[in-house]
Amino acid sequence: ILNVEQSPQSLHVQEGDSTNFTCSFPSSNFYALHWYRWETAKSPEALFVMTLNGDEKKKGRISATLNTKEGYSYLYIKGSQPEDSATYLCAFQANSGGYQKVTFGTGTKLQVIP
Amino acid sequence: DGGITQSPKYLFRKEGQNVTLSCEQNLNHDAMYWYRQDPGQGLRLIYYSQIVNDFQKGDIAEGYSVSREKKESFPLTVTSAQKNPTAFYLCASSAPGDNWAQYFGPGTRLLVL
Repeated sequence: ILNVEQSPQSLHVQEGDSTNFTCSFPSSNFYALHWYRWETAKSPEALFVMTLNGDEKKKGRISATLNTKEGYSYLYIKGSQPEDSATYLCAFQANSGGYQKVTFGTGTKLQVIP
Repeated sequence: DGGITQSPKYLFRKEGQNVTLSCEQNLNHDAMYWYRQDPGQGLRLIYYSQIVNDFQKGDIAEGYSVSREKKESFPLTVTSAQKNPTAFYLCASSAPGDNWAQYFGPGTRLLVL
């Protein structure tokens, strides 16, 4: 079983604060690194899929970076808002024998305090 | 509307009983996945399928079985061999044209009576 780790496990920030989370993953058989947002009572929703070392993605106040050589990705939220409260999941996609297996981390639960 | 549907929303299983969870998608996605979530844990991969009539075991396949007879459908059977089936089950689909980003259904919560 591949080891995909996320830190911190949970986080409380004040509205307006900027924050970031880490996802670490194996450096072998890399195909892609995904980030998802999972709000309570909803289904996980894709934020970014990154495939290239050094890739950076941005969507509004949320951005992500990728380092495949050292096996980590950061997710940044600038100026956190209460609606950003959710669990953020990363997922490592490995290409093994033509099969695209996806392994999720345990997530970072973010609570933004108004 | 394109999307993924899962049914039922809640499912109750008696001891020794097999139950089947439904997952259907009309997104024309090639790949489909089944995940299990337990309290305080992340999503763990049970089975996945990239094409019709082919599927692969994930990390926790024991006690589960799947079929992929149609592109749109990927049902999961929880067999009596699965000794701890109580969990939240999520189905997802993806396609290479979307960089394999996963689209998730609403989930099924399975409870043991």
